[in-house]
Parts: sequence; structure tokens; C-alpha cells
Amino acid sequence: TQLLEQSPQFLSIQEGENLTVYCNSSSVFSSLQWYRQEPGEGPVLLVTVVTGGEVKKLKRLTFQFGDARKDSSLHITAAQPGDTGLYLCAGAWGADGLTFGKGTHLIIQP
Amino acid sequence: GAVVSQHPSRVICKSGTSVKIECRSLDFQATTMFWYRQFPKQSLMLMATSNEGSKATYEQGVEKDKFLINHASLTLSTLTVTSAHPEDSSFYICSASGGASDTQYFGPGTRLTVL
Repeated sequence: TQLLEQSPQFLSIQEGENLTVYCNSSSVFSSLQWYRQEPGEGPVLLVTVVTGGEVKKLKRLTFQFGDARKDSSLHITAAQPGDTGLYLCAGAWGADGLTFGKGTHLIIQP
Repeated sequence: GAVVSQHPSRVICKSGTSVKIECRSLDFQATTMFWYRQFPKQSLMLMATSNEGSKATYEQGVEKDKFLINHASLTLSTLTVTSAHPEDSSFYICSASGGASDTQYFGPGTRLTVL
């Protein structure tokens, strides 16, 4: 069983602060996805990283894939209340089903 | 593009009855569909993988006779929860992938409540 450790599980910060969410595994991923999920809805794909060392930016969100393709991070700059939600990382091994981390519940207080 | 729908969005049923959930890829052909379950305050757990025209592959601990999966076409997969019990109450989410990319696109989920 492939395990994906995601931290922190809960994070509450003030508007304007920066934050980083981490996703780690002892196994190598073929790709890693980051999702955001609102209550009562399915996850929405934010980004897919495939290449070791890859960095992708989505407005104030920066996603990084570790050189060894075992870890990833999501960094949010100048967080806003609209960023509040559940962030999930998910590792893929080929075309198999995804293994999700436990998620990070993020609250941005105005 | 890459829209996945689920029906129904919510269902409430009595214990012992069976419930069918549909997952459709609306604008692409999904060679593979996945079914996940999510309990409150928890992450998604993969239940099974289904490829069009073949039997589903179930994850360890998931009863194949209880969670019947059919993937009869490239745009439709169904999950039937048979003889549902209160402990089956959960949020069931499907995803679909197809074409050259392995990217999975998720449906909006189905909230099942068994009384």
C-alpha cells in the first residue's frame, strides 16, 4: 500500500499571510496532483506535476515537485479568505487509481 | 472540457435496500473510471477501478458483492450499493480518465444516507 503523508492537517491563518502545505511519500510517483475540495462537492484539479524538480504557478499558488518525485509542496502567497477550503494531494502510479493524502483544512481569517 | 456528472447528488434509503449511483463522462470517452468513498472529515479512499467492458478491480477490504460496479460503455459507470446499512452512509465520488492523459476528472459526488 502506497502512503502519502500530508501536513499540516489543519491550518488557520490571517489574511495576507503565506503558508505551505507538504506532501511526502517513501515511494516515487509517476505524477502528483493537487486538488481543492469544497464541502459537499467533488475535488477540483488544481495542478498536475510530473517531472522531478518541476515548479508550477497558478496565480498566488506555487506547486513544487521534489527532485526525487517523492514529495511535493503547495505554497500560497498572501492568502485570502477565498482560499479557504480542503486541499488534497494525490499520488499516481501510472494509470492506477489515486492515493490521497489526508488533506489540509485551510481557514483564512479576514 | 472533461466534465463528469453523477446522479443522484443525494439519496436517502432504508437499511436493506439497494442504491444505484451513476457516473457519466459528458464530453470525453472514459476508458477507466474510478470509485472513491469519503467519510466525514476524511480524505478520499479508492474503492475500485473499472475499465470499459471488463470486471472491476477492487481495493483490499472492499466487498465486491456489496459494491457492484458496471462499466458498460465509455461514458457510463454505475455503482450499486446492495443491502445498504447505516455504516455505508458516505460521500461517493467517481472519477474518469481517458485518451492520452491519465488525468482523472472527478464528479460532484453522491451523498448516501442509509437510515
